[in-house]
Amino acid sequence: QSVLTQPPSVSAAPGQKVTISCSGSSSNIGNRYVSWYQQLPGTAPKLLIYENNKRPSGIPDRFSGSKSGTSATLGITGLQTGDEADYYCGTWDNSLNAGVFGGGTKVTVL
Amino acid sequence: EVQLLESGGGLVQPGGSLRLSCTASGFTFSTYAMSWVRQAPGEGLEWVSSITGSADNTYHADSVKGRFTISRDNSKSTLYLQMSSLRAEDTALYYCARGGIGLAGLDPWGQGILVTVSS
Repeated sequence: QSVLTQPPSVSAAPGQKVTISCSGSSSNIGNRYVSWYQQLPGTAPKLLIYENNKRPSGIPDRFSGSKSGTSATLGITGLQTGDEADYYCGTWDNSLNAGVFGGGTKVTVL
Repeated sequence: EVQLLESGGGLVQPGGSLRLSCTASGFTFSTYAMSWVRQAPGEGLEWVSSITGSADNTYHADSVKGRFTISRDNSKSTLYLQMSSLRAEDTALYYCARGGIGLAGLDPWGQGILVTVSS
């Protein structure tokens, strides 16, 4: 059971928008930065969003992040077949004094 | 170009030991925290350990505490994970990554190295 809760899967048609939620608590998301990672099949994870809503160089603005209270959200607009992947949220937990990830969300483009 | 290259994985018997290495290039290694993250077959990501740039502080997941030790040699731009008392549940792809998960995120990640614990 992951400390951060994500839906197992989301899906939408090409060109549409999906959002992925990441629910935590005051000991993690509520008081720490959240980052998001994309893992394409058979590859290493890649950083998509850091410090809740910032995009590293090279990440298209179709990807966005937000945080409110103890939850964070990743949004993907203009969905493409190349976006089919597993997406993970991550942060630090002050109570556990440990890093934590969500269980991951599989995005399917219909 | 920033690169991370893991090595040292393989097949080990339960109760055995293994040391993973992660050689970094393309950035000033000593100024960054570094982390290890693992992924069991078909499963999600699990944070394992992190270490500050100066190695002043180290952090380990409860699942590996007392068995794994993260360390670094800044003169060699190399990160290590010493693993002992290995269990079947430690079988996973181990990734090294630059940064700390609670800071500016983990970026980039190495390609991963497989550790298999089996008799």
